[in-house]
Amino acid sequence: GAVVSQHPSWVICKSGTSVKIECRSLDFQATTMFWYRQFPKQSLMLMATSNEGSKATYEQGVEKDKFLINHASLTLSTLTVTSAHPEDSSFYICSAKGIGEKLFFGSGTQLSVL
Amino acid sequence: EDQVTQSPEALRLQEGESSSLNCSYTVSGLRGLFWYRQDPGKGPEFLFTLYSAGEEKEKERLKATLTKKESFLHITAPKPEDSATYLCAVRKGGSEKLVFGKGTKLTVNP
Repeated sequence: GAVVSQHPSWVICKSGTSVKIECRSLDFQATTMFWYRQFPKQSLMLMATSNEGSKATYEQGVEKDKFLINHASLTLSTLTVTSAHPEDSSFYICSAKGIGEKLFFGSGTQLSVL
Repeated sequence: EDQVTQSPEALRLQEGESSSLNCSYTVSGLRGLFWYRQDPGKGPEFLFTLYSAGEEKEKERLKATLTKKESFLHITAPKPEDSATYLCAVRKGGSEKLVFGKGTKLTVNP
């Protein structure tokens, strides 16, 4: 089946630094990728929709200057959390739209900001 | 506003004790209801997509059904390895977005 690889699995950083998370579709081309955030015992909340070669579409309340998304190729999207603060600590998950209506998810990145 | 409500929040079963998880939804123009399994610290794993009322799909011990207002995930004779959080999500017509419920955390005791 389709595989989406997400790295790193976990990252700890100091407040004020930036963190980049990569999401790759390994065996299919994904024109659309999605970035979600999940807090403990909460549902996945869509942050932004990333389309290859164009600007990302951000959900209401998500700061586009803080969460930079780049989708430079059909197999790679990156999320950069700029000037991270403790309140940005969360589980970030990417997904890629494959053939048909299926969405395939990465394994997630646990971000802890000290 | 599109909403997905899952119940119960948590469910404990003994191995072999069958049960059902519920997903109630309100969405205009449903274009798919999705079930995912999520293990701790992992991304969701796709289980099923249902598109129209009356549709059913099965995979091993799991069976998903759909009506116009809700979906059920039936678990028959569960095993401890079925322990996970089960997520329900809907997509509406004209959108690529999925709206997720909070999930049901299932624990199956041996």
